[in-house]
Amino acid sequence: QKEVEQDPGPLSVPEGAIVSLNCTYSNSAFQYFMWYRQYSRKGPELLMYTYSSGNKEDGRFTAQVDKSSKYISLFIRDSQPSDSATYLCALDSNYQLIWGAGTKLIIKP
Amino acid sequence: EAQVTQNPRYLITVTGKKLTVTCSQNMNHEYMSWYRQDPGLGLRQIYYSMNVEVTDKGDVPEGYKVSRKEKRNFPLILESPSPNQTSLYFCASRRNDLGQETQYFGPGTRLLVL
Repeated sequence: QKEVEQDPGPLSVPEGAIVSLNCTYSNSAFQYFMWYRQYSRKGPELLMYTYSSGNKEDGRFTAQVDKSSKYISLFIRDSQPSDSATYLCALDSNYQLIWGAGTKLIIKP
Repeated sequence: EAQVTQNPRYLITVTGKKLTVTCSQNMNHEYMSWYRQDPGLGLRQIYYSMNVEVTDKGDVPEGYKVSRKEKRNFPLILESPSPNQTSLYFCASRRNDLGQETQYFGPGTRLLVL
C-alpha cells in the first residue's frame, strides 16, 4: 500500500463547476499538507499549504484536512480552462515530502 | 526575479558515464531538495538539504549523491548512471516564515540513460 493514494484521473468537468480533488494517507506522523498544480512540461507550483485539520481558503481554492480520517481535499470553485493541469498532493514529515501520483484535471469550455 | 535554475534541461548519456545536474537558487533559501518524477509514481524525493553542509536522504537516494558547499547551489551527481535512472528531475527550494510557506521548483531536467 502506498503511503499516499491519489486517483490519477483524468477528471473532466465543465467550465464553472466545483472540482473536488482528494488524497488519502496512511501515516499519522504527517504534519503538513500541500497541494500543487503542475502544467505539462513545467515544475510543480505550490497552491496551498496547511498544517492542521480544517479548511484553508485562498481565492477560488479551498484546502481541507481531516487528520482523523487521514484524508485531504482540494476544492476549486468556478473552474476555468486555465485550471486544466495535474494536481499533486504532498505530505511533509520533518521535511521529508511524500507525494501522491497526481490527478489530471481537464476543464471543458 | 525569484527562480531556481537547473542545467542541463535535457541530457542523453550512456550507462556508467558520470554526470552532474546543477541547481541554483537566488532566494537565499536554506532548504533545497531533489526529486525525480516518473509516470504513475508521481514525485519522489531523492535528497534534501536543510543548510550548507547538511544533507539527508529522501525516499530514493540509491545511485545519487549531492553536495551543499554553498547556500545557493545543490548539485545532483550520478556517479555511474543506469537506465533505471532515466527520469524527469526537479530541484526545489523552500522557506517557511512562521507558517508562511514559499517554494520554488526548477524547470526540470529530462535525463535518458542508454
